[in-house]
Amino acid sequence: QKEVEQNSGPLSVPEGAIASLNCTYSDRGSQSFFWYRQYSGKSPELIMSIYSNGDKEDGRFTAQLNKASQYVSLLIRDSQPSDSATYLCAVTSNTGKLIFGQGTTLQVKP
Amino acid sequence: GAGVSQTPSNKVTEKGKYVELRCDPISGHTALYWYRQSLGQGPEFLIYFQGTGAADDSGLPNDRFFAVRPEGSVSTLKIQRTERGDSAVYLCASSLLGAADYNEQFFGPGTRLTVL
Repeated sequence: QKEVEQNSGPLSVPEGAIASLNCTYSDRGSQSFFWYRQYSGKSPELIMSIYSNGDKEDGRFTAQLNKASQYVSLLIRDSQPSDSATYLCAVTSNTGKLIFGQGTTLQVKP
Repeated sequence: GAGVSQTPSNKVTEKGKYVELRCDPISGHTALYWYRQSLGQGPEFLIYFQGTGAADDSGLPNDRFFAVRPEGSVSTLKIQRTERGDSAVYLCASSLLGAADYNEQFFGPGTRLTVL
């Protein structure tokens, strides 16, 4: 079992819809969770961090964390074609390094 | 500078050669990380510096890989006797404190290494 798992996609949604991206992790001791956006040929860009169970909203983005289920998700409301990218879920290990999933490719169709 | 910078942006070398990749973190960030990303995969951890010392080098694949951060700022990743399998994008990230929790890491643009 991989430490951080994501569906590679692609996930295709129409413009204006809600995109839902999911991630599971194996280390119950993990405390910090991040979502990065990566455009093709570019480096990862931090878009959300979450540390407590529940929801955290920032603009059109909402991160959700459920530590009991070892599950993190990212919702993107009113999806735009410019949101088309690969979304990487990352979890901090006990030494501080990030463990990444393989990423989910999101396609937002006009 | 405002963000993490990495040089060179692209490096093409021949199998067996030595390469150095440089990272300049965000000013004031004490923690610096190196990751490697292959096509279609998420970044994989290589090494983490807290200040001048390597706090975790468990991700270095073998002894051909070495990294330094002599003054606690700029870091250099060194690869000896490069192999074709070393071809990847090498990413550097920095964070303010480097604590295991609440540790937002910000990435540089990466160095694309191609070993022919």
